[in-house]
Amino acid sequence: DGGITQSPKYLFRKEGQNVTLSCEQNLNHDAMYWYRQDPGQGLRLIYYSQIVNDFQKGDIAEGYSVSREKKESFPLTVTSAQKNPTAFYLCASSTVSNQPQHFGDGTRLSIL
Amino acid sequence: EDQVTQSPEALRLQEGESSSLNCSYTVSGLRGLFWYRQDPGKGPEFLFTLYSAGEEKEKERLKATLTKKESFLHITAPKPEDSATYLCAVHQRNSGYSTLTFGKGTMLLVSP
Repeated sequence: DGGITQSPKYLFRKEGQNVTLSCEQNLNHDAMYWYRQDPGQGLRLIYYSQIVNDFQKGDIAEGYSVSREKKESFPLTVTSAQKNPTAFYLCASSTVSNQPQHFGDGTRLSIL
Repeated sequence: EDQVTQSPEALRLQEGESSSLNCSYTVSGLRGLFWYRQDPGKGPEFLFTLYSAGEEKEKERLKATLTKKESFLHITAPKPEDSATYLCAVHQRNSGYSTLTFGKGTMLLVSP
């Protein structure tokens, strides 16, 4: 079945540590996205990528980094510069147009 | 600045009690309005896309409509399994890339 796989489902970060969230899709979509979801807030865009080896900052990119070396993969690194990383992180993909984005089942990141 | 406002924030219905959720938006050049359903601890699941005022889409007990300023998600004779958070998102014409702005969602609880 085609879809988006995020791993791990739960992740814990120690102070000063960088952690990487995985996102893989087999939908053959060109565009991929990372969102952050906090209680009582809408999804906020962190980074997005329309093609391999290219990505753009979203609304809340500070303290995060991404790479897009393969069409299928768009990992997100939460760096130690992100002072409030506790949130539910969602990865999505779409064709490059005003078509629906399809989401993975998220990674919940907490601070130890 | 683009805004997407969903109301009510939460809605409790009895099984079979029909109602509507609202999504009002202020964007220049709407390219599409999307409805999603999100269950706790899961990623959003795509429901509908609406592109122009007057358009309607239906799926089982759900019907989405669109005007120039807002969209409604009508739920007819809801069942407990319809309980979820419903998210609205808009895609605007002026952006160079396909990004969405999400509302904060309406949490629906349907009691048996």
